[in-house]
Amino acid sequence: GDSVTQMEGPVTLSEEAFLTINCTYTATGYPSLFWYVQYPGEGLQLLLKATKADDKGSNKGFEATYRKETTSFHLEKGSVQVSDSAVYFCALSDQGGGNNDMRFGAGTRLTVKP
Amino acid sequence: GAGVSQSPSNKVTEKGKDVELRCDPISGHTALYWYRQRLGQGLEFLIYFQGNSAPDKSGLPSDRFSAERTGESVSTLTIQRTQQEDSAVYLCASSLTILAANTGELFFGEGSRLTVL
Repeated sequence: GDSVTQMEGPVTLSEEAFLTINCTYTATGYPSLFWYVQYPGEGLQLLLKATKADDKGSNKGFEATYRKETTSFHLEKGSVQVSDSAVYFCALSDQGGGNNDMRFGAGTRLTVKP
Repeated sequence: GAGVSQSPSNKVTEKGKDVELRCDPISGHTALYWYRQRLGQGLEFLIYFQGNSAPDKSGLPSDRFSAERTGESVSTLTIQRTQQEDSAVYLCASSLTILAANTGELFFGEGSRLTVL
């Protein structure tokens, strides 16, 4: 079935460092791909998305490109801030493949130190 | 309310007891989802409701788990005869329609942390 595998954490970086969190997926159809973020004490919220191959999602300085050839959707940010400390979840939705739910990875905890 | 509300935020119970977890979705959202997140693992789909259609219960792990939703309002997830393996954070999400899952427009509550001793 459909699934998402993402880089295990935790990840600790210094402010202004470059961030990459890897995510790969398996799907039977043509999924949409997402990154959700959970800040301390808050619920998960959508960070960015891409609905077809080669699309790039971006928000708050974060980017991820939908790579069908490598079945990947890696999250990147060029210069992280302390306020980016959170748990990041990669997810897919494959309604064309017969699922009506969202499939999530295990989450990667990011801590950014000043 | 403005967001998805879940209660209780924390629940500690003894093995064998029944628990009820509540989710109050965003007003007007017809679709409602329950997920479970065990420590160090991803979100595991449990069940979703879409309006008055029959719910998709395909993710419920055993017959000890059940959920109800009245119309497009509050949902209750019930776990009977709890086991230690049920310890997890239970997350609720709502969206305008079931199709919103394809656009990522799910709105999550903060979750209910269940600990079974």
